[in-house]
Amino acid sequence: NAGVTQTPKFRVLKTGQSMTLLCAQDMNHEYMYWYRQDPGMGLRLIHYSVGEGTTAKGEVPDGYNVSRLKKQNFLLGLESAAPSQTSVYFCASSSTQGIGNQPQHFGDGTRLSIL
Amino acid sequence: LAKTTQPISMDSYEGQEVNITCSHNNIATNDYITWYQQFPSQGPRFIIQGYKTKVTNEVASLFIPADRKSSTLSLPRVSLSDTAVYYCLVGDMGGGADGLTFGKGTHLIIQP
Repeated sequence: NAGVTQTPKFRVLKTGQSMTLLCAQDMNHEYMYWYRQDPGMGLRLIHYSVGEGTTAKGEVPDGYNVSRLKKQNFLLGLESAAPSQTSVYFCASSSTQGIGNQPQHFGDGTRLSIL
Repeated sequence: LAKTTQPISMDSYEGQEVNITCSHNNIATNDYITWYQQFPSQGPRFIIQGYKTKVTNEVASLFIPADRKSSTLSLPRVSLSDTAVYYCLVGDMGGGADGLTFGKGTHLIIQP
């Protein structure tokens, strides 16, 4: 079982460049999320999706865009990268089945550096 | 949105029982309490979830008092490999982002 797969694992960008981070899950989960984690900090929610074709803003959405064209994929885009976006990005997914907070399954992260 | 408060760090020794308490005074009726574990360079991993009283699985126990304003994650007989950051989350996944605030977590360090 692959679970949640993030691509790429590492990337270095120059200020102003654009890129897309890909998240893929094979668990047929409805919900998907993008977080960023900075040194010594917890995870902060950037954007999330409650189903194919839907997206919503999280705590820190500025400077990012997302798309959920297919249920299994959730893309995070940086249109014009800034040094403040240097971080580790985590993708997660969860099911809507059952009750309460369904546990999120996380990928191993994408380490992004903006020079 | 229920907020949580945890100790920033804790130390213990191999073989000891470790209890990490999380305060969530504003917990709502529909909220569940979920704990995650994160090792360096990895994404968080689900440990345990509960609504009230006590929940136990093969990894940990979760104690929730009647007023549900706090919860305690209990790790029995810890080992060096339990050194990690532990996050307490409170919320109801009703289609929104409620319950998705990880905070800074508790950095647990286990010594030999």
